[in-house]
Amino acid sequence: DAGVTQSPTHLIKTRGQHVTLRCSPISGHKSVSWYQQVLGQGPQFIFQYYEKEERGRGNFPDRFSARQFPNYSSELNVNALLLGDSALYLCASSWVGSTEAFFGQGTRLTVV
Amino acid sequence: AQTVTQSQPEMSVQEAETVTLSCTYDTSESDYYLFWYKQPPSRQMILVIRQEAYKQQNATENRFSVNFQKAAKSFSLKISDSQLGDAAMYFCAYRSPGYNNNDMRFGAGTRLTVKP
Repeated sequence: DAGVTQSPTHLIKTRGQHVTLRCSPISGHKSVSWYQQVLGQGPQFIFQYYEKEERGRGNFPDRFSARQFPNYSSELNVNALLLGDSALYLCASSWVGSTEAFFGQGTRLTVV
Repeated sequence: AQTVTQSQPEMSVQEAETVTLSCTYDTSESDYYLFWYKQPPSRQMILVIRQEAYKQQNATENRFSVNFQKAAKSFSLKISDSQLGDAAMYFCAYRSPGYNNNDMRFGAGTRLTVKP
């Protein structure tokens, strides 16, 4: 079985641009979460989606948004990019009610 | 708000030896989950071990074990018989109870080096 897959693996954007990151969960997983990991820090929770609805949101500005599709894949969108948005963006999926989250390899976003 | 602190930015261990990574957390909740994740250079976070706060018995997974001290809010990871493949960043994480809650709070991580 494929694990959590994220695309693209690397991305370079210019300040002020918009970016869309994609995540496909493990087959059967209906919950998807997004984390931001700035260099030298631990991951920070951004969003959780379950059954296509937002179930949790971290302390991030409204420039960050996400959605989940009927096949449970998810997109993370960031508008008006800032240099500080440069980070590794991790997606995690899990079964409903499970305490274990499975992570993808992340998308490395660089904002110049 | 729950916070997780890892006070050791870097640790080093000789192959086949034992090393302990420290983690403390702050919470007012009585029930919660604690995790240790490993992040190798491939960037993928891999679950090493988990502990439910209501369980007094320390979790063990092969060469990995934890020392969970609920009153002290301490959750250390012991790696026995260290192997070269154990070299990675290790993150301690806290999760509140709640159905399907994936809002985990991570510490800043400890970089583990294994010397041959």
